[in-house]
Amino acid sequence: AQTVTQSQPEMSVQEAETVTLSCTYDTSENNYYLFWYKQPPSRQMILVIRQEAYKQQNATENRFSVNFQKAAKSFSLKISDSQLGDTAMYFCACFWGGTQGGSEKLVFGKGTKLTVNP
Amino acid sequence: DGGITQSPKYLFRKEGQNVTLSCEQNLNHDAMYWYRQDPGQGLRLIYYSQIVNDFQKGDIAEGYSVSREKKESFPLTVTSAQKNPTAFYLCASSIRGYAGELFFGEGSRLTVL
Repeated sequence: AQTVTQSQPEMSVQEAETVTLSCTYDTSENNYYLFWYKQPPSRQMILVIRQEAYKQQNATENRFSVNFQKAAKSFSLKISDSQLGDTAMYFCACFWGGTQGGSEKLVFGKGTKLTVNP
Repeated sequence: DGGITQSPKYLFRKEGQNVTLSCEQNLNHDAMYWYRQDPGQGLRLIYYSQIVNDFQKGDIAEGYSVSREKKESFPLTVTSAQKNPTAFYLCASSIRGYAGELFFGEGSRLTVL
């Protein structure tokens, strides 16, 4: 079974500092995509960043970047210049496309609660 | 504005009653999903639908039912067979085949008394 593991249930960081959230996954597939989703206290989840497994270059989206280590099956999220609005649950997720179509699913980790302190 | 609307946001029901959670999207997305979120459990897939009049069971479908009669709508019924229905329910949609990039609604909190 495909699994996604986030080993840090909670983290905190001071405003303006940098924090890294960890994620590992387990799959035998070659074709997959990795994501970080953010769920603020309002509870509506939004996509933060996406990485295609076939791409070696790490994805970057403004203050958010990833460190994708394919051999180690590791996909960490780095948040630079942390802001109070970054306080949220962060979910790592992996998508394995179905070979026949219609069987696509996204598997989520259990989340890391990040608190940004003023 | 385009998006996903879930209703109601909060719902209280007595044990043994069926309840239906609404999910409507105007993003013209083909695929829609229902997830259940419990503290410390992350998100677990209940049902998903890639096209109208077709849907598939997810990891925790027991005690739930869905329909997909229209592209815009994917209601979830929590039946009395669901042993522990109190949870936060999230509906999402995506462009079919677009590799897991989901757009979420604001969620519905169901509490069974």
